[in-house]
Amino acid sequence: AQSVAQPEDQVNVAEGNPLTVKCTYSVSGNPYLFWYVQYPNRGLQFLLKYITGDNLVKGSYGFEAEFNKSQTSFHLKKPSALVSDSALYFCAVIGSNYQLIWGAGTKLIIKP
Amino acid sequence: GAVVSQHPSRVICKSGTSVKIECRSLDFQATTMFWYRQFPKQSLMLMATSNEGSKATYEQGVEKDKFLINHASLTLSTLTVTSAHPEDSSFYICSAREAGLGYNEQFFGPGTRLTVL
Repeated sequence: AQSVAQPEDQVNVAEGNPLTVKCTYSVSGNPYLFWYVQYPNRGLQFLLKYITGDNLVKGSYGFEAEFNKSQTSFHLKKPSALVSDSALYFCAVIGSNYQLIWGAGTKLIIKP
Repeated sequence: GAVVSQHPSRVICKSGTSVKIECRSLDFQATTMFWYRQFPKQSLMLMATSNEGSKATYEQGVEKDKFLINHASLTLSTLTVTSAHPEDSSFYICSAREAGLGYNEQFFGPGTRLTVL
């Protein structure tokens, strides 16, 4: 079955520290992977995607994600967290019917 | 990047009335638009997939007679919540996929907050 797992409901990080939001996937074939961010009462904003090429993908707002095929993971990372990074983060993968399959979301809280 | 707009951004209505939400792709043609529903602190739930000029495909458990979807042009899809009830209160998000072969990225609208009194 095709699925995306975000094992952490919430991640707490001190401002200035590195952050990681985890995502693992299960899909047949080569995965197309995405990260989106959602601020309160707002729609989704695209952060980055992996289609092919380098396993390390750089995206908006200083975020990056590393595709690891052997571990079927696509963890989101940022070297130095900002308070303004506090939001809800969703990982998604394109399924066999070209529809997005969503993770449950991870709430990221950056404390000053 | 491609822009998708939604109107209205927020709507409050009385129980029993119908509400129409518009989703527009502003600078590209979208053969496919998706409608999602999001409950508080939860992930997005795909309601239906809308292809221009044809009937929408609804996900299991979504009432097609209650959530009417019209994709009349390559830049506009509408979702009408008919005879709305308080349990229909939610955040509705549309996304649009650009016309073309194979995979194309989805672009999301800013969402519409529906509150049914």
